[in-house]
Amino acid sequence: QVQLVQSGAEVKKPGASVKVSCRASGYTFTGYYMHWVRQAPGQGLEWMGWINPNSGGTNYAQKFQGRVTMTRDTSISTAYMELSRLRSDDTAVYYCARDRDILAGRGGPWGQGTPVTVSS
Amino acid sequence: QPVLTQPPSASASLGASVTLTCTLSSGYSNYKVDWYQQRPGKGPRFVMRVGTGGIVGSRGDGIPDRFSVLGSGLNRYLTIKNIQEEDESDYHCGADHGSGNNFSWVFGGGTKLTVL
Repeated sequence: QVQLVQSGAEVKKPGASVKVSCRASGYTFTGYYMHWVRQAPGQGLEWMGWINPNSGGTNYAQKFQGRVTMTRDTSISTAYMELSRLRSDDTAVYYCARDRDILAGRGGPWGQGTPVTVSS
Repeated sequence: QPVLTQPPSASASLGASVTLTCTLSSGYSNYKVDWYQQRPGKGPRFVMRVGTGGIVGSRGDGIPDRFSVLGSGLNRYLTIKNIQEEDESDYHCGADHGSGNNFSWVFGGGTKLTVL
């Protein structure tokens, strides 16, 4: 079945970087954009950006420009999101989410989430 | 880009019906909206996409036909009939914005649905 499996929880100090992985299975990895979305405790969803796994092209939300880098490794069907210069307000659960299936007319799957805690 | 507004909370009794609302900001009445269900401690899952003509495409995997959508003007609605305990979740609406290399996602603040 179509599935996204993310890496485990992370605890980081302010100023450090974190890199979260998202391994895709059950579909052609290069056929769909991959989005990254985060959710701070008790808050709504916040879109961070996407990567085109086929070309490696990216589009980042303005808020994260200069701090976020999205990459992929097509040989292992895995997308990565790295966020640098972490602050306490980056504490959140980070999700990868595949773009919708236009032919099926349906939204794509989401990963299970990766909690990231930023604390000194 | 559009702003999506959702009431922070809603409640309904077991077996009753509830309608959740997502309101687009002015000028975006042609936008389609995706509804997502997020159960406690889980990631969001796609429910349905809705435009002014109703459902666009198909339901998400495992979404029962107790869930339905409508769209009117700037409002996009998700109705749940015969509410069950497992429907207690946060419900988020989201929309695509832009096109080509500039397209992005925008989300509302989410509505927490409590089943009484």
